[in-house]
Amino acid sequence: DAGITQSPRYKITETGRQVTLMCHQTWSHSYMFWYRQDLGHGLRLIYYSAAADITDKGEVPDGYVVSRSKTENFPLTLESATRSQTSVYFCASQGNEKLFFGSGTQLSVL
Amino acid sequence: AQSVTQLGSHVSVSEGALVLLRCNYSSSVPPYLFWYVQYPNQGLQLLLKYTSAATLVKGINGFEAEFKKSETSFHLTKPSAHMSDAAEYFCAVSDRNAGGTSYGKLTFGQGTILTVHP
Repeated sequence: DAGITQSPRYKITETGRQVTLMCHQTWSHSYMFWYRQDLGHGLRLIYYSAAADITDKGEVPDGYVVSRSKTENFPLTLESATRSQTSVYFCASQGNEKLFFGSGTQLSVL
Repeated sequence: AQSVTQLGSHVSVSEGALVLLRCNYSSSVPPYLFWYVQYPNQGLQLLLKYTSAATLVKGINGFEAEFKKSETSFHLTKPSAHMSDAAEYFCAVSDRNAGGTSYGKLTFGQGTILTVHP
């Protein structure tokens, strides 16, 4: 199916563990983005990518790593999860002068 | 630096009543402005955007917004609320001079939850 998909939908982990959130889009959009959503903060940009092998930091990049070896995939890794990274994470791709969002990953760090 | 303020974290209206969600922005240059809607347990979807000279912008589902430069505002309205409009609404701003990221590298407001009563 065409679209943008995120996995897993829900994830529970412990502090200090590495976690990778997956994002896949089928449109071959060049630009992709990772946002986190927290109550009272709206959405904040973590990282974005203009194309394969081109990534850049957003507003809140600390503690996160991204890669983009293929245009369609844009995984987000928390190298050593902290409680402050408990959040809902949204991946999005840019096309037709707008963002297309995935359904999100709800991450809890215990 | 850009910022967005949405006045009122919760707005409640009756079905058939006017919907007004307020958004004010701060930007050093004329920005692009967006309204996105989020239904429960879903990602966001674009309602409408302002990118050019037309200050009154019409979007999907009967929503519209007016860009007022003098007031640095971009309020969202709908003449008659429907039960299906219940959702969280986000105002967002971007730098129109940011090249390829002008439509994706957004600064969001805190969101306004709209409740519609029968």
